[in-house]
Amino acid sequence: AQTVTQSQPEMSVQEAETVTLSCTYDTSENNYYLFWYKQPPSRQMILVIRQEAYKQQNATENRFSVNFQKAAKSFSLKISDSQLGDTAMYFCAFTDNYGQNFVFGPGTRLSVLP
Amino acid sequence: KAGVTQTPRYLIKTRGQQVTLSCSPISGHRSVSWYQQTPGQGLQFLFEYFSETQRNKGNFPGRFSGRQFSNSRSEMNVSTLELGDSALYLCASSTGTGAPDNSPLHFGNGTRLTVT
Repeated sequence: AQTVTQSQPEMSVQEAETVTLSCTYDTSENNYYLFWYKQPPSRQMILVIRQEAYKQQNATENRFSVNFQKAAKSFSLKISDSQLGDTAMYFCAFTDNYGQNFVFGPGTRLSVLP
Repeated sequence: KAGVTQTPRYLIKTRGQQVTLSCSPISGHRSVSWYQQTPGQGLQFLFEYFSETQRNKGNFPGRFSGRQFSNSRSEMNVSTLELGDSALYLCASSTGTGAPDNSPLHFGNGTRLTVT
């Protein structure tokens, strides 16, 4: 069974600075998909960024980028120029080729401080 | 385009009762999945429906069931409620076809169920 681990339950960062959230996973699949989702205090989960395991190039979405290390089974999220609106729970998620079942990590609560 | 809509937003039930939660997916999405979110267990997958068929199921007891209608709307039912069923229940929709990165999950606001 696949598992997703996020070793940082809580983190904080000053506004405008950069922060990296860690995620590791365990799978025997060769191809799969990884995601970061954000859940602000209003609680609706929002997709932040996605990555297919076959693609070597790290995904980037504006201020959000990932460092995908397939051999190490690591998928960290870097947030540059942090903004107050980035304050949220961040969940790392894994799904296989079929995408019918997403496995989520326990989440990291990020606070951006003014 | 309207997002994923879950009703009701809040529910309070007593042990032993049953409850039905509703989810309307984004127009055109045929896959609906359900997740239970609790502080202790995080987000746990309940089941996924596609074109009225359950394609995948998580590790929950049979008290948790669901169904999907021809218009892709989905309902989740929990019978014989227990205190431990108190949680935020999230519904997510996707196209359900093609590569998962082209069909990511879109979540609703959730239904907060409290069992007393």
